[in-house]
Amino acid sequence: QKEVEQNSGPLSVPEGAIASLNCTYSDRVSQSFFWYRQYSGKSPELIMSIYSNGDKEDGRFTAQLNKASQYVSLLIRDSQPSDSATYLCAVKTAEYGNKLVFGAGTILRVKS
Amino acid sequence: GAGVSQSPSNKVTEKGKDVELRCDPISGHTALYWYRQSLGQGLEFLIYFQGNSAPDKSGLPSDRFSAERTGGSVSTLTIQRTQQEDSAVYLCASSLGPAADTQYFGPGTRLTVL
Repeated sequence: QKEVEQNSGPLSVPEGAIASLNCTYSDRVSQSFFWYRQYSGKSPELIMSIYSNGDKEDGRFTAQLNKASQYVSLLIRDSQPSDSATYLCAVKTAEYGNKLVFGAGTILRVKS
Repeated sequence: GAGVSQSPSNKVTEKGKDVELRCDPISGHTALYWYRQSLGQGLEFLIYFQGNSAPDKSGLPSDRFSAERTGGSVSTLTIQRTQQEDSAVYLCASSLGPAADTQYFGPGTRLTVL
């Protein structure tokens, strides 16, 4: 089992809809969770971090963390074509020190 | 301020040649990371430097790969006797310190081994 798993997609949503991206991880003692956005041919950029169970909102983005179920999700409200990108889930876990373990990413396509 | 910079942006080499990739982290960032991203894949950790501590080399795929960081700033990733499977985008990231969670990525070096 991979440490961090994501559905590769593509996930297609119409403009204005809510996009829901999911990620599961295997290490129960993982501490920190991140969502990076990566446009084609560009480097990843951090959009959300979450450390505690529950929801964390930042503008149109909401990160949700459930440590008991070992999943973290990202909701994008009012999706825009400019949100079309690959979304990478990353986990920092005690076993791996300060390294981030990345999932393979989910491709999101927002259709206008 | 200036972000993480990497050079070259693109490198095409022949199988068996050595290559050097350079990373210049954000000024004041003590932690520096190298990752590799193959086409359509996530990021694969390679090596991590923190200050003057011994680097964490646990992600280096073979002894053909090595990296150094001089003066706690600029880092060079060296790949000896390149193979076609080394073709990927090599990304460097830096963070303020070991406890800092936010890693800032450079634009990457796209390596193509013919």
